[in-house]
Amino acid sequence: EVHLLDSGGGLVQPGGSLRLSCAASGFTFSDFAMSWVRQAPGKGLEWVSDISDSGSSTFYTASVKGRFTISRDNSKNTLYLQMNSLRADDTAVYYCAKEDPGIQGAEFHFDSWGQGTLVTVSS
Amino acid sequence: NLMLTQPHSVSESPGKTVTISCTRTSGSIASNYVQWYQQRPGSSPSNVIYEDNQRPSGVPDRFSGSIDSSSNSASLTISGLKTEDEADYYCQSFDDYKHAWVFGGGTKLTVL
Repeated sequence: EVHLLDSGGGLVQPGGSLRLSCAASGFTFSDFAMSWVRQAPGKGLEWVSDISDSGSSTFYTASVKGRFTISRDNSKNTLYLQMNSLRADDTAVYYCAKEDPGIQGAEFHFDSWGQGTLVTVSS
Repeated sequence: NLMLTQPHSVSESPGKTVTISCTRTSGSIASNYVQWYQQRPGSSPSNVIYEDNQRPSGVPDRFSGSIDSSSNSASLTISGLKTEDEADYYCQSFDDYKHAWVFGGGTKLTVL
């Protein structure tokens, strides 16, 4: 059974940094691309970033580009999100999600999600 | 910019059928697959439909998905409604130009 355990959230001041982790088990981690998706309090889902299975390719939503860095350690089955220059509007629950290619293999969807970790940016 | 528009809320009685729409504002709905996610209160999202109309294992066949090119929209239909279906539902598709996953704003389903 796929299991994703998010951790690392907390309260941080504006301009501060935080590193989130997602420990994966139940599947061959190095075979799958992974994403971070966030949800601000009372709001909808927003995709943040993704990384290829090998870690060689990364993408970001415009609002976090240059501030957030996604990475992975396939030897530790762990996904990371380094968040710098945090702003109040980064306050959200952050979920890691496993990307699955589906039947057609042309596009990916999120077939498994972590439980989420809350990041609060406030002075 | 790819945007997906959903109704803010829908409600229906137990045992009935409800359909939630997701309208793509630019480009063809058929250009990229549409997924649907269910998020019960206090829980993480879970996938209930992928690739427009495919059900993951474990999702009951009361859940079905479709796309309609004439209205440029996707739909999630839930039949035989149960109180446990009460949740927020999000549609999602992929923006090829930006390499970004885009979610609709979500629809709150109330089963009463």
